[in-house]
Amino acid sequence: DVKVTQSSRYLVKRTGEKVFLECVQDMDHENMFWYRQDPGLGLRLIYFSYDVKMKEKGDIPEGYSVSREKKERFSLILESASTNQTSMYLCASSQPQELNQPQHFGDGTRLSIL
Amino acid sequence: QKEVEQNSGPLSVPEGAIASLNCTYSDRVSQSFFWYRQYSGKSPELIMSIYSNGDKEDGRFTAQLNKASQYVSLLIRDSQPSDSATYLCAVGRRGNNRLAFGKGNQVVVIP
Repeated sequence: DVKVTQSSRYLVKRTGEKVFLECVQDMDHENMFWYRQDPGLGLRLIYFSYDVKMKEKGDIPEGYSVSREKKERFSLILESASTNQTSMYLCASSQPQELNQPQHFGDGTRLSIL
Repeated sequence: QKEVEQNSGPLSVPEGAIASLNCTYSDRVSQSFFWYRQYSGKSPELIMSIYSNGDKEDGRFTAQLNKASQYVSLLIRDSQPSDSATYLCAVGRRGNNRLAFGKGNQVVVIP
């Protein structure tokens, strides 16, 4: 079974802090993704990575950055946290889409910015 | 037009009945189709994948794909209270590493 592990289930930070969310997958997947999910807005893609050190912006990259130094690990960084970044953050991984494989999600991190 | 649409509002079904969920997509070159189940406060969990026209059955779940009409559906037979969740439709294209997700349909199974 694919295992995607997010470092924290719940996290509380203060406005202006730099926040790191970590994600590790154990299936040697090329692709990794960061989403946020808010009521009524569905899943929104923040960034994704298709290889080590490679990244692409998703639909809502503003205020976020990412890092992928190793294939199994994909980090999401909130450079200066703001209250509107309070959300559920979901990491996912997959094989390349030409293989028609689904994405597998971690348990999520519920982040509150005070 | 949204890439993936799940238009139905919350669906309430009595226990033991069939729940039917529909999803339409806009990109004709879509090739892979997935249904995820998401319990409240939890992350999405893959329950079905379908790639070819027709039906695919897995236990009490049946996915139906019609590429000509650009829709994919999910049937849940003999619905159980444990099926109460939000169901997300996701669509993929060859060569595009992203999936397009619908906003989901909530299903409530009434004992």
